[in-house]
Amino acid sequence: IAGITQAPTSQILAAGRRMTLRCTQDMRHNAMYWYRQDLGLGLRLIHYSNTAGTTGKGEVPDGYSVSRANTDDFPLTLASAVPSQTSVYFCASSRDRYNEQFFGPGTRLTVL
Amino acid sequence: TQLLEQSPQFLSIQEGENLTVYCNSSSVFSSLQWYRQEPGEGPVLLVTVVTGGEVKKLKRLTFQFGDARKDSSLHITAAQPGDTGLYLCAIQRVGGSQGNLIFGKGTKLSVKP
Repeated sequence: IAGITQAPTSQILAAGRRMTLRCTQDMRHNAMYWYRQDLGLGLRLIHYSNTAGTTGKGEVPDGYSVSRANTDDFPLTLASAVPSQTSVYFCASSRDRYNEQFFGPGTRLTVL
Repeated sequence: TQLLEQSPQFLSIQEGENLTVYCNSSSVFSSLQWYRQEPGEGPVLLVTVVTGGEVKKLKRLTFQFGDARKDSSLHITAAQPGDTGLYLCAIQRVGGSQGNLIFGKGTKLSVKP
């Protein structure tokens, strides 16, 4: 079934640890996105990629990095996790940056 | 400054009631999208409205884009428990990261049987 997969589903992480959230899509979409969703703040864009090999910063990029080595994968890395990064993280993709975005099921991350 | 304001923030109604939720901006935008997010899942696109005054219907859901292209509403007729979820509106950013979406904070709807 075509779509977006994210891993892990949930994770509890000690502060200071490095963590990579995985995102894979099989729709051959050019654009991919990472959002975080927090109570009272809504969905906020962390990083995006309009095509393989390129990335850009969203609203809240600090403390996060991404790479886009190929079309399908768009991992999000927290180099040294802090408690304020506790959130639900959603990966999304779209055919191009002006089209409908399809979201993955999310990763619930808790940083202690 | 919140670009998109959604109201109400929370709404709890009984099955069979009608409701309207709103999405407003101080800026004119070219198009607006409505998403629904069910608990534990990612948002799913319901509709995109692009023309001022446009009305689109999706079964019991009616979406309207304001004439001035600064507001939109979602009306649900005879709400069902399956309509429960977070309703988000989103517009596309202009400028440097053109095409990226800006989301409102959402309206959390609970429909009780």
